[in-house]
Amino acid sequence: AQSVTQPDIHITVSEGASLELRCNYSYGATPYLFWYVQSPGQGLQLLLKYFSGDTLVQGIKGFEAEFKRSQSSFNLRKPSVHWSDAAEYFCAVGAIIGGGADGLTFGKGTHLIIQP
Amino acid sequence: DGGITQSPKYLFRKEGQNVTLSCEQNLNHDAMYWYRQDPGQGLRLIYYSQIVNDFQKGDIAEGYSVSREKKESFPLTVTSAQKNPTAFYLCASRATGTPRGTQYFGPGTRLLVL
Repeated sequence: AQSVTQPDIHITVSEGASLELRCNYSYGATPYLFWYVQSPGQGLQLLLKYFSGDTLVQGIKGFEAEFKRSQSSFNLRKPSVHWSDAAEYFCAVGAIIGGGADGLTFGKGTHLIIQP
Repeated sequence: DGGITQSPKYLFRKEGQNVTLSCEQNLNHDAMYWYRQDPGQGLRLIYYSQIVNDFQKGDIAEGYSVSREKKESFPLTVTSAQKNPTAFYLCASRATGTPRGTQYFGPGTRLLVL
């Protein structure tokens, strides 16, 4: 069965510093990978996705992620964080769920704290 | 504007009571999903539906029920059999026809037990 691991429950970064959030997946076939962001009490917003092709994917809000098949990883990066980036970040892998439907398996999330 | 709406934003349930959470989308998506979110647990799939009048259980369906009578609507009922219903509930939809299409999420409903 597919799974997603986000090793860091909390990460604290100073405003203006660079950011990398880690994501490792387990999936038998070619994965489809997503990063979502969630502000407190809100739904999830898609940051970026990888389906195929270029392994470096650009997303919204200045985020990017790199797919590394050899490491089963899809880490999220941003060169300079802003206080508004403080949120919960979820990595997800697209997978076939029951009945042949397409679904998502989520990691447990990483809570990003921005220090002034 | 196209999107997904969920209502109410907050919902209170008394012991032994069934409550229904609304999810509506005007994206013309075929597939719809319900997730439960608990602190530190990520999102767990409750039910999903690929087409009207058809739905499937997800990983944690016990104590929940759904219906899909219209393409744009996928209400979730939290029954009295769900002993620990306090959570944040998220509805999502996805266009079918393309493999592994993106799921788009509504703003969520927070359910609290009185």
